[in-house]
Amino acid sequence: DAKTTQPPSMDCAEGRAANLPCNHSTISGNEYVYWYRQIHSQGPQYIIHGLKNNETNEMASLIITEDRKSSTLILPHATLRDTAVYYCIASLGGGADGLTFGKGTHLIIQP
Amino acid sequence: DVKVTQSSRYLVKRTGEKVFLECVQDMDHENMFWYRQDPGLGLRLIYFSYDVKMKEKGDIPEGYSVSREKKERFSLILESASTNQTSMYLCASSFGWGSSYNEQFFGPGTRLTVL
Repeated sequence: DAKTTQPPSMDCAEGRAANLPCNHSTISGNEYVYWYRQIHSQGPQYIIHGLKNNETNEMASLIITEDRKSSTLILPHATLRDTAVYYCIASLGGGADGLTFGKGTHLIIQP
Repeated sequence: DVKVTQSSRYLVKRTGEKVFLECVQDMDHENMFWYRQDPGLGLRLIYFSYDVKMKEKGDIPEGYSVSREKKERFSLILESASTNQTSMYLCASSFGWGSSYNEQFFGPGTRLTVL
């Protein structure tokens, strides 16, 4: 898995969009970008993934730069329940690949 | 909804005891994983399995073994528990080779304390 770099912590006001950056400058052409989050005392939860194109689902949007060296996870209307550690992971698709979780970004949503 | 369940949320064992951590998934996933999570070190992969009776070492297999006799069940075994195995243990599962991506579904975790 390619190495990813994320800021250790971020704050965001409730109701605002939370934009979480991730650098993955050594990502290979067939590696996906995955985002997971972990709310305190729970197992990690899958959020979204992408390869080249921007992606959106009911939880978030993922913006990947054209050179694929960085990406941004966007939570459009953050709520207090979005307070969690967010992990950005670069990994191959399919198969039995363990995921390499770094330290992630601790996102704190302020009321 | 996919469900991954783990046998215990909290477990306290003595040094030298044999410890079994059980994980069950209900989505017919081929792949199953065991991770441990420690403060400052993130999640680290211990073992994984891509089929019944198959197992592969992850990044930190020392001191652990696994068993997968049925597709839905993956067990982590600590043959002789030591204090440095005090940790949060997380099980996960995912679809196999037919899937185009690697979405893993995690259980709630077992917090193991070895005294």
